[in-house]
Amino acid sequence: NAGVTQTPKFQVLKTGQSMTLQCAQDMNHEYMSWYRQDPGMGLRLIHYSVGAGITDQGEVPNGYNVSRSTTEDFPLRLLSAAPSQTSVYFCASSSRDYTTGELFFGEGSRLTVL
Amino acid sequence: AQRVTQPEKLLSVFKGAPVELKCNYSYSGSPELFWYVQYSRQRLQLLLRHISRESIKGFTADLNKGETSFHLKKPFAQEEDSAMYYCALRGSGGSNYKLTFGKGTLLTVNP
Repeated sequence: NAGVTQTPKFQVLKTGQSMTLQCAQDMNHEYMSWYRQDPGMGLRLIHYSVGAGITDQGEVPNGYNVSRSTTEDFPLRLLSAAPSQTSVYFCASSSRDYTTGELFFGEGSRLTVL
Repeated sequence: AQRVTQPEKLLSVFKGAPVELKCNYSYSGSPELFWYVQYSRQRLQLLLRHISRESIKGFTADLNKGETSFHLKKPFAQEEDSAMYYCALRGSGGSNYKLTFGKGTLLTVNP
């Protein structure tokens, strides 16, 4: 049981390049989400999904796309990277058991856009 | 709208001293409050949640609806408590999974 797995752990991009951050979970969680972590800004929600085929925007969705074709995977796509997207990205998942409320996080992906 | 405020970016205490990390929230309904912790080189993880009324690693937090606060407290800090702490809020409603996080407080416990 690996939990939430993110790849890559580190990535350097040039402005304008595109890339996909991968996220997979093996806990059969319905809910998955992407956050970005910036100094002094805390964790901000980018996009989230409550199940396969369902996605919605969070607090800072601009410049990012997501899709949820399976329960396990929730990739985050940067269409045209900008320096403002330099950040640490965290994927998280939780079960439909609302009463527990625990989010399980991946180890993070550190992205630098030059 | 839901908002979480952690007024202290940095907090430094000595080992054995009491520690309190402040968290205030804004939400019109009945929120659920959580504390998450990120130790150096580790994943962000749940520390405690208000509905459980539990004590984890000596930490407690009480939801004060009158003051809209959920401060995290520990009577005697340990060096291993040094970490980034995030307060988080989830709105009421069975379909609301979103967590809103505060900006975090970096706690340093000095020997």
